[in-house]
Amino acid sequence: GAGVSQTPSNKVTEKGKYVELRCDPISGHTALYWYRQSLGQGPEFLIYFQGTGAADDSGLPNDRFFAVRPEGSVSTLKIQRTERGDSAVYLCASRGKGGSTDTQYFGPGTRLTVL
Amino acid sequence: AQSVTQLDSHVSVSEGTPVLLRCNYSSSYSPSLFWYVQHPNKGLQLLLKYTSAATLVKGINGFEAEFKKSETSFHLTKPSAHMSDAAEYFCVVTRPNTGKLIFGQGTTLQVKP
Repeated sequence: GAGVSQTPSNKVTEKGKYVELRCDPISGHTALYWYRQSLGQGPEFLIYFQGTGAADDSGLPNDRFFAVRPEGSVSTLKIQRTERGDSAVYLCASRGKGGSTDTQYFGPGTRLTVL
Repeated sequence: AQSVTQLDSHVSVSEGTPVLLRCNYSSSYSPSLFWYVQHPNKGLQLLLKYTSAATLVKGINGFEAEFKKSETSFHLTKPSAHMSDAAEYFCVVTRPNTGKLIFGQGTTLQVKP
């Protein structure tokens, strides 16, 4: 079946602009995660959704970052007033109902470049 | 708090020789541990996971890892490297309540012909 998809695959924007990154999880997966991977680093957790609600947003770096999942499926990560330091690959993962140790399936990521 | 430390940022082996990628963990809970692989321009793929069952875990593509509580280690091994194994490897621990993954810094595996 279809895996996790993310759009766009690449996004180039200018400093100060607003961007939206989209994640389509595997159908039926209730848990959804966003991570950010900077060059040469391991991914870092941003936010976790269980259904429609953000169960853990402790990884969001500041209030310029916000994410929603209004119908418990597709999620959008929103970044306001982008800064050059926001440049990274943004990864989305979804997990089934097998509990917190169940496998997370990752999408291919969105590469964000802020000029 | 949980964390993982990957002891080598870069490992180079010859094709057909054994692979050892080292990982130590720190966890205040009984940990669940994973190894993920990331090939260039491709998504992260789960190699194997330990969730308090057998301490020797077998994964895909001939990889395995052994959970050693006394050494707080979860090293990844493969008896014979293949050129297609060249990639970035991440050791990961999970936070039990939320399942959020905490990644190590990664180890780049180079396989020479």
